Amino acid sequence: EAQVTQNPRYLITVTGKKLTVTCSQNMNHEYMSWYRQDPGLGLRQIYYSMNVEVTDKGDVPEGYKVSRKEKRNFPLILESPSPNQTSLYFCASSFKGGNQPQHFGDGTRLSIL
Amino acid sequence: DAKTTQPNSMESNEEEPVHLPCNHSTISGTDYIHWYRQLPSQGPEYVIHGLTSNVNNRMASLAIAEDRKSSTLILHRATLRDAAVYYCILRGSAGGTSYGKLTFGQGTILTVHP
Repeated sequence: EAQVTQNPRYLITVTGKKLTVTCSQNMNHEYMSWYRQDPGLGLRQIYYSMNVEVTDKGDVPEGYKVSRKEKRNFPLILESPSPNQTSLYFCASSFKGGNQPQHFGDGTRLSIL
Repeated sequence: DAKTTQPNSMESNEEEPVHLPCNHSTISGTDYIHWYRQLPSQGPEYVIHGLTSNVNNRMASLAIAEDRKSSTLILHRATLRDAAVYYCILRGSAGGTSYGKLTFGQGTILTVHP
């Protein structure tokens, strides 16, 4: 089944403790992206990747890192999480091109105390 | 980046048509118009997309204005399962990295009454 898989689905952690949210897709998509969703603010793009070893900033990249060493994986790294990064995070992927629909994962809810 | 504007919320009755508007006055000639919806407690899902001509699929229809500065997502017969947040976004196709950076906005909350 074609899917985008995020792990973990839920995480409660403390300020400053490094964490990684993994994202994996099995559709051979070149493009992958991370979003966060906060009440009243909709979906905001954090980082995106056009292909392996190619990443770029979205609208809200501060406090996050990403890497794209393999085509299927696009982990989101919070080196020193802070409470303002408490949010619902979504990973998405698509083939390259403006006419390509994105496929989203089920989301990861992060709570940083 | 080209932005879109949608009403915060709309309401409909079950089995009636719903027209969800989106304004994108700064759209460029190579931007595709995409619609997604997000059901409660789920990730967004793709609904439909188009460039210039109107489009139909099993989920909905997309009507695009002749000047492309606005579009309308049409749900022909709303059901309770269509209650969701609907997002209209633009995705570039001019080559290079124009399709990478995406702005979703807050979307339209659709309430469907039985």
